Amino acid sequence: GIQVEQSPPDLILQEGANSTLRCNFSDSVNNLQWFHQNPWGQLINLFYIPSGTKQNGRLSATTVATERYSLLYISSSQTTDSGVYFCAVGGYNFNKFYFGSGTKLNVKP
Amino acid sequence: DSGVTQTPKHLITATGQRVTLRCSPRSGDLSVYWYQQSLDQGLQFLIQYYNGEERAKGNILERFSAQQFPDLHSELNLSSLELGDSALYFCASSERPSGSGFTDTQYFGPGTRLTVL
Repeated sequence: GIQVEQSPPDLILQEGANSTLRCNFSDSVNNLQWFHQNPWGQLINLFYIPSGTKQNGRLSATTVATERYSLLYISSSQTTDSGVYFCAVGGYNFNKFYFGSGTKLNVKP
Repeated sequence: DSGVTQTPKHLITATGQRVTLRCSPRSGDLSVYWYQQSLDQGLQFLIQYYNGEERAKGNILERFSAQQFPDLHSELNLSSLELGDSALYFCASSERPSGSGFTDTQYFGPGTRLTVL
């Protein structure tokens, strides 16, 4: 299967700070999504981004498929950004969807 | 609100029992996916259906089975439950699969928290 590694595993920020989360994957992918799991357990789709760059408000993401990594940028962080951020990928040759172990973000007021 | 609904929200049962989890996809979505999230194994893909047909199978135990009905809702059946089956079970849906079946945005339901005592 595809190995998905996320870094850092834990991140503590002061409100207003910026951060970059990284996702490395071990094979070519035709699907990459970033999710936010809030403290209540809900998984919220942030980006569908198998390649290129997208922006949505304070969040943006870039996937460099040829180098097998994706970055999620959070700017001007807010306490509501706290939770776990997951990267998940689907590959051309694998009929499954693989999740990384997540980055746990804690934004302090 | 993703538009995907799951029932029940919480389920507490005993070892050896059988339970059924239900999922209704977003309006217009033909694909349904099931995932298990446990503390020790993280988020794992279980199985995918598209328009009533099984499309892909992941780390699903033989004690577990699923189906998608003509109205596109899906059920995940868990039998001979063990303590280790305690987890959060998510359903997701997408408009359609293509290629390997995972080239579409997936939207997740709120999950069913299963506790096996």
